[in-house]
Amino acid sequence: GESVGLHLPTLSVQEGDNSIINCAYSNSASDYFIWYKQESGKGPQFIIDIRSNMDKRQGQRVTVLLNKTVKHLSLQIAATQPGDSAVYFCADNNAGNMLTFGGGTRLMVKP
Amino acid sequence: GAGVSQSPRYKVAKRGQDVALRCDPISGHVSLFWYQQALGQGPEFLTYFQNEAQLDKSGLPSDRFFAERPEGSVSTLKIQRTQQEDSAVYLCASSLRQGRDGYTFGSGTRLTVV
Repeated sequence: GESVGLHLPTLSVQEGDNSIINCAYSNSASDYFIWYKQESGKGPQFIIDIRSNMDKRQGQRVTVLLNKTVKHLSLQIAATQPGDSAVYFCADNNAGNMLTFGGGTRLMVKP
Repeated sequence: GAGVSQSPRYKVAKRGQDVALRCDPISGHVSLFWYQQALGQGPEFLTYFQNEAQLDKSGLPSDRFFAERPEGSVSTLKIQRTQQEDSAVYLCASSLRQGRDGYTFGSGTRLTVV
């Protein structure tokens, strides 16, 4: 079956450093991926997405990289700030309209 | 409205009780989704509406779960005879068009069954 998972459950970084959050997927037919940020007591918030015809996409302080060969994507956050502390999920939107989420990575930013 | 609104924010139910969770999507959004998020887990798909039509209910865990969106706007997720394993955050999301867009999620309803 299709699964989307994350390598590390918790990531702790120093304020100002760059963060890298990884995600693996199993369905080689997956063609659209989304990264979400979820703060405590809130719903997931869209960060950035990428389609399979791209290897890289950049937003404001965030970059998503997609490696279709090894079925891996990553979210890079530049100059991590305390406000970036949250749980980050990758999700696959390939299965029709539904999203398939991974288990999440908690990012902790140390001042 | 400005965002997806869900009510109540918190619900405590005794085992066996029926509950109803409400979702007000962003005005004009065609697609509406319900997800269940257990503690420490990613959200899991429950059901999907396009306007008033329920096009996918494959994620509903049992026949105790029922969702409706009779006029294509507000949706209600009903859980009958609640069990402890139903305790979770129930998230609603809406999208302007049919899927494959960035969904907007509500803050969810945290259901605790005691």
